[in-house]
Amino acid sequence: NAGVTQTPKFQVLKTGQSMTLQCAQDMNHEYMSWYRQDPGMGLRLIHYSVGAGITDQGEVPNGYNVSRSTTEDFPLRLLSAAPSQTSVYFCASSYGLAGVQYFGPGTRLTVT
Amino acid sequence: GQQLNQSPQSMFIQEGEDVSMNCTSSSIFNTWLWYKQDPGEGPVLLIALYKAGELTSNGRLTAQFGITRKDSFLNISASIPSDVGIYFCAGRSGGGADGLTFGKGTHLIIQP
Repeated sequence: NAGVTQTPKFQVLKTGQSMTLQCAQDMNHEYMSWYRQDPGMGLRLIHYSVGAGITDQGEVPNGYNVSRSTTEDFPLRLLSAAPSQTSVYFCASSYGLAGVQYFGPGTRLTVT
Repeated sequence: GQQLNQSPQSMFIQEGEDVSMNCTSSSIFNTWLWYKQDPGEGPVLLIALYKAGELTSNGRLTAQFGITRKDSFLNISASIPSDVGIYFCAGRSGGGADGLTFGKGTHLIIQP
């Protein structure tokens, strides 16, 4: 199993550009989530999904959209990037709501 | 939202020393998790705790779920150079659908 994979590993955007961060897992996990990590802030939940077709907002959802068309994939979309979205983004998945979350390697995004 | 206070923020220790770090919360958690993050990588699970009072070991690591359900600690015995990294506590309350709440991390630095 590859576990949780994320692409790209690094990305630089200009303010106002859009992009999609990809996340995929091959463990047949129902629960998937996106976090952002900023210096001194720990990880904060952006959006999560409890199964295909179901998504909900986390602690810091503004400026981000998600969709879950399949169990395996959970892309995160930035419609109009802002410098405040410069961060490291982690995708995670778990077997159930109370399951242990496994993290991907992260995407380092810089918005200039 | 919920907050976790993790301390210390950083630790400078000699190789071979024991390490202790803890997390406290103003609210009750049903699950406590401890993760380690190496530079450029995603968090990796070390220990998961599911019951108040539970004491669990993983090699040189030992973690406990506080009986009040508002705190947890992680001990590392006989530290070695590869223990260097950032350690995060994370807690989950309620049904777990809203993801994990993370502490801000303890940065462990080991001097040979």
